[in-house]
Amino acid sequence: EIVLTQSPATLSLSPGERATLSCRASQTVNSYLAWYQQKPGQAPRLLIYGASSRAAGIPARFSGSGSGTDFTLTISSLEPEDFAVYYCHHRYKWPPKSLTFGGGTRVEIK
Amino acid sequence: EVQLVQSGAEVKKPGESLKISCQGPGSNFATSWIGWVRQMPGKGLEWMGTIYPGDSHTTYSPSFEGQVTISADKTISTAYLQWSSLKASDSAMYYCARHSFDASGFPFDHWGQGTLVTVSS
Repeated sequence: EIVLTQSPATLSLSPGERATLSCRASQTVNSYLAWYQQKPGQAPRLLIYGASSRAAGIPARFSGSGSGTDFTLTISSLEPEDFAVYYCHHRYKWPPKSLTFGGGTRVEIK
Repeated sequence: EVQLVQSGAEVKKPGESLKISCQGPGSNFATSWIGWVRQMPGKGLEWMGTIYPGDSHTTYSPSFEGQVTISADKTISTAYLQWSSLKASDSAMYYCARHSFDASGFPFDHWGQGTLVTVSS
């Protein structure tokens, strides 16, 4: 089973700063890497799919990159509503045989 | 806008059975793939399994196979997650979510609001 390791666990930043979140896979994965945002008391929301494509309605300040085992979510300039927990996600084969989430990165206000 | 509407919060005792539901729009529910995701208190997301309501084909995470049953009734556009004998460790928020076939990798593009299950004696 592929394990996704996110780092750091917590990122303390101020509004307007750049956030860089990492997701590392335990083995080389295809580009089926997605990122979700979850705010307290809410369901997750899809931000990025296919490693680098923004989902519908997602602001341009969110971008995804990476390949192989190393992937990055970048928030170019943090807005107050961006302070949340972010999860990466990978799906192996279809119908899914294995579908894993990373442990999450909390982006908190410094 | 695809809306998945889940059943309400449940409080159960250990050993009891439970079935929670997730209803989607009728127009294309039968041809959607619906997943269930667990989130224990203060913890991350765990995929439990995915069902195709059109023919009820289901895949399970090894961690959950045998522990829960995922089913669907396409005639009423509803997917289900059920337990035959709950444990305290089943206390969690449970989300249903739709896999998107418009996006590479088929990520979850629409989520239900979640059903909170509390198991306590």
